Amino acid sequence: QSALTQPASVSGSPGQSITISCTGTSSDVGSYDLVSWYQQHPGKAPKVIIYEVNKRPSGVSNRFSGSKSGNTASLTISGLQAEDEADYYCCSYGESASRVFGGGTRLTVL
Amino acid sequence: QVQLVQSGAEVKKPGASVKVSCKASGYTFTTYAIHWLRQAPGQRLEWMGWINCGNGITKYSQSFQGRVTFTRDTSARISHIELSSLRFEDTAVYYCAREAGGATKYFDYWGQGALVSVSS
Repeated sequence: QSALTQPASVSGSPGQSITISCTGTSSDVGSYDLVSWYQQHPGKAPKVIIYEVNKRPSGVSNRFSGSKSGNTASLTISGLQAEDEADYYCCSYGESASRVFGGGTRLTVL
Repeated sequence: QVQLVQSGAEVKKPGASVKVSCKASGYTFTTYAIHWLRQAPGQRLEWMGWINCGNGITKYSQSFQGRVTFTRDTSARISHIELSSLRFEDTAVYYCAREAGGATKYFDYWGQGALVSVSS
């Protein structure tokens, strides 16, 4: 199963909004509303910020939001803050209870 | 509180095997699946598979089929991953992660990671 496609990097200034795309196929992203997003700071374990396409776990800022259209899911971060600088990974449920991750996107807050 | 605590770093030679543990606490161990993932230096997260900690059923990524084994010890609340025939490219941080309950299919808690280095 091939990795989901994410941009390698995005950047934005504090207060701005950015969107990270995650493109899969009709076998994963397109078939299931089971896309999750993870934030990973250097040297740390990933942390879930979005699940089931657009749901936020308790304690996650409402500046993070998710959506999906067809085979592409998106993560939007509004009101960028310095602490948002991290790597972001999408993950989709796939065929036969598998999972597939994106290649990761490095977010730089300018 | 829910915690997943993994064993320490390992250094292995090519061709050897490595076993990493993940000890769970703070929840009913047998109710949840544990997934194993890895991340090579500077690379993306890679999903390796899961084990149902209740019935022991496993699912392996095709990328590792035949070379990886997941086990669990319900009395000790531990899951293990064993990877055999190690190659240099298996050098990575190996994570365990709990799959959240119900039909949500995401990873709600993660271990701290265990670095496995393959070096001659």
